[in-house]
Amino acid sequence: KQEVTQIPAALSVPEGENLVLNCSFTDSAIYNLQWFRQDPGKGLTSLLLIQSSQREQTSGRLNASLDKSSGRSTLYIAASQPGDSATYLCAVRPDGQNFVFGPGTRLSVLP
Amino acid sequence: DAGVIQSPRHEVTEMGQEVTLRCKPISGHDYLFWYRQTMMRGLELLIYFNNNVPIDDSGMPEDRFSAKMPNASFSTLKIQPSEPRDSAVYFCASSRGLADTQYFGPGTRLTVL
Repeated sequence: KQEVTQIPAALSVPEGENLVLNCSFTDSAIYNLQWFRQDPGKGLTSLLLIQSSQREQTSGRLNASLDKSSGRSTLYIAASQPGDSATYLCAVRPDGQNFVFGPGTRLSVLP
Repeated sequence: DAGVIQSPRHEVTEMGQEVTLRCKPISGHDYLFWYRQTMMRGLELLIYFNNNVPIDDSGMPEDRFSAKMPNASFSTLKIQPSEPRDSAVYFCASSRGLADTQYFGPGTRLTVL
């Protein structure tokens, strides 16, 4: 059974810092991996989707990497801003199955 | 497009009552998903539909839960009878294909007293 973990559970950084969020999964046979952002009391917003054949995806200040063999993905946020404060969830889609979500990392960017 | 629409946004009910949650997916999306989010268990997939047909309902916790999708623009998740442990935020999401980005609605916060 696929399991997804995220480290750290919570992170607090000053504005302007570059930061890395980590996602680990137990079964490397995945179809794709997606990073989401969730604001308090809101639904999830898709940030980046990485297919299993890809190594990374970039969108603005965000860069997500995927290493299937080691069961890891990282989300890199450059020049963090207070507006980046949210919970970030990693979701892995095993082959032939639906998404399995991690518990999330709660990020606070302090002005 | 207005995105995925869910109603109601908040629901408070008493144990034993029937609860119906509603979802309108994004037009043109062939897949619709129902999720439940709690502090203890995180985000869990309950059921998903493809072209209005239920494909995988293995996440539905028990027979008290049922979901329908009578047409491409509407789905319901029903709990009957409701119990306090059903209290959670229920999300609906839709996507064009199973491998594509999922777009989430704002969720329904359910409280069962």
